[in-house]
Amino acid sequence: AQSVTQLDSQVPVFEEAPVELRCNYSSSVSVYLFWYVQYPNQGLQLLLKYLSGSTLVKGINGFEAEFNKSQTSFHLRKPSVHISDTAEYFCAVSEGSNYKLTFGKGTLLTVNP
Amino acid sequence: EAGVVQSPRYKIIEKKQPVAFWCNPISGHNTLYWYLQNLGQGPELLIRYENEEAVDDSQLPKDRFSAERLKGVDSTLKIQPAELGDSAVYLCASSLDPPPNIQYFGAGTRLSVL
Repeated sequence: AQSVTQLDSQVPVFEEAPVELRCNYSSSVSVYLFWYVQYPNQGLQLLLKYLSGSTLVKGINGFEAEFNKSQTSFHLRKPSVHISDTAEYFCAVSEGSNYKLTFGKGTLLTVNP
Repeated sequence: EAGVVQSPRYKIIEKKQPVAFWCNPISGHNTLYWYLQNLGQGPELLIRYENEEAVDDSQLPKDRFSAERLKGVDSTLKIQPAELGDSAVYLCASSLDPPPNIQYFGAGTRLSVL
């Protein structure tokens, strides 16, 4: 069965610093991987996705993620964060033709001035 | 293009009362999902529809929860009677077939049961 582990529940950083949010997944078949962002009192917004091809994927708001099959990881990165990036970030995985999307517990990114 | 629309955004009820949530998916999306998101957790699937058919309702507590998707478009999720533990955010999402069926979410309904 597929599962997702987000290794950090909270990540505080200063504005303009780089950030990495870590995600590991467990699956026995090929996967699709997603990062969603949730701002306070909002729904989930798709940040980026890995479906196939290049292992480095770029998303909205300057975020990117790298798919590492050997380490079963899909870490999210941004070289310079802004106050407006403060939000909850969720990593999610779905297997092949399986519709089920399994989410991690989320990482709260707090960007301080 | 309009996104997934949910209403109401917030609902406060007393325990044992009924409550209903409404969802309008993105136009043309045949697959619709209802998720439950507890505080500090990721969303968990309650039910998935393909057109009018509920194809995965294994996680839906059927003693008090029910859902419908008439005409394969809008959907309603109902709880009757509500319990204190039902306080959470209820999210609706929609996607196109076939996989990878990228899911797009609505803003959610935050339910508080007193």
